[in-house]
Amino acid sequence: DGGITQSPKYLFRKEGQNVTLSCEQNLNHDAMYWYRQDPGQGLRLIYYSQIVNDFQKGDIAEGYSVSREKKESFPLTVTSAQKNPTAFYLCASSRTSGSYNEQFFGPGTRLTVL
Amino acid sequence: QKEVEQNSGPLSVPEGAIASLNCTYSDQGSQSFFWYRQYSGKSPELIMFIYSNGDKEDGRFTAQLNKASQYVSLLIRDSQPSDSATYLCAVNPGRDAGGTSYGKLTFGQGTILTVHP
Repeated sequence: DGGITQSPKYLFRKEGQNVTLSCEQNLNHDAMYWYRQDPGQGLRLIYYSQIVNDFQKGDIAEGYSVSREKKESFPLTVTSAQKNPTAFYLCASSRTSGSYNEQFFGPGTRLTVL
Repeated sequence: QKEVEQNSGPLSVPEGAIASLNCTYSDQGSQSFFWYRQYSGKSPELIMFIYSNGDKEDGRFTAQLNKASQYVSLLIRDSQPSDSATYLCAVNPGRDAGGTSYGKLTFGQGTILTVHP
């Protein structure tokens, strides 16, 4: 089955800790994205990557970091510099070669700061 | 700031009625438009996309696009309680200066739809 997996499903962080959220896809998509969703809000783009070893900041990159060492994987680290990290984090992927390149989402990770 | 605006609702319709969800966007160069459905606590699921002016139908869903008015809508016919969810509108600005198509999307805040029996 092709798809996007995210782990863990739930994550609890203490103040001052860095945590890493995993995102893996086997859709052979070139592009991957990280979004943050707060209650009652739409999706806000954190980082995106269109090719291995390259990524760009989205609208709310401060306090986050990413890497793209493999086509299939795009982990997101939430650093202690992110002052309000409690949110639902969504990873997505898409092609870059077609005309419309619709994005498909993983199941999400819900992060809570204790 | 390129924006996508949706009425946050909630929109409440009776079972069997037509639900109409609306979205406006500010970037006149936007090329393709997507509707996602998101159930509470779950991730968004793509249900429709449209790129040409006019209507596109898929089962009970119809997407409508008017680029001159910068307006896209989603109609759900014969609404069912299982359609109760948040519907997210997303806009793709299209190709960059180098001619490469990329998938970066701007999302609206979503419209909550409730279909009551």
